[in-house]
Amino acid sequence: KNEVEQSPQNLTAQEGEFITINCSYSVGISALHWLQQHPGGGIVSLFMLSSGKKKHGRLIATINIQEKHSSLHITASHPRDSAVYICAVSDFGNEKLTFGTGTRLTIIP
Amino acid sequence: EAGVTQSPTHLIKTRGQQATLRCSPISGHTSVYWYQQALGLGLQFLLWYDEGEERNRGNFPPRFSGRQFPNYSSELNVNALELEDSALYLCASSSQTASYEQYFGPGTRLTVT
Repeated sequence: KNEVEQSPQNLTAQEGEFITINCSYSVGISALHWLQQHPGGGIVSLFMLSSGKKKHGRLIATINIQEKHSSLHITASHPRDSAVYICAVSDFGNEKLTFGTGTRLTIIP
Repeated sequence: EAGVTQSPTHLIKTRGQQATLRCSPISGHTSVYWYQQALGLGLQFLLWYDEGEERNRGNFPPRFSGRQFPNYSSELNVNALELEDSALYLCASSSQTASYEQYFGPGTRLTVT
């Protein structure tokens, strides 16, 4: 069993739809990260959170430490949101990231 | 403020050769992380350097090595290249003052033929 699991693996939606990507982890963590990877490989850090909820524009990330679960939501989705979204967790004390396998999101105009 | 930079962007080597990849962190960041993303596989942690020392390494053979210089830039060396070393190599930097949030560079795509 992987330490970090994401669902769904692939998601196709119409422009404007509300998107939810889920992440579950099985280890103790110091923080959970949501990353975005566009074709070509560049990675952008969207959120780093250790409790509660964070919001940036149309993106919202939540984490439930007791349930070891996090969600990334995108409101009013747009074709430019099409990318791979990766959940990652960092360990206490060494900060290396352990990654989920990613969710490939495609938003159709 | 300049972001994390990596060089070269692309690198083509033949099996058995050595590859050297370079990373410059964001100014003020003391930690540098290296990750490998092989085709069809997820991201995997390779190495973590902080204040010039190797702090942790992932499950990779010893022919993957690196170092961090006094200016906190870093080098990843891969010796005796194998075909399966073909991958995107990503560098990230962070600092304690930034709560260790990691900022990624654009990556170096290594192709081994």
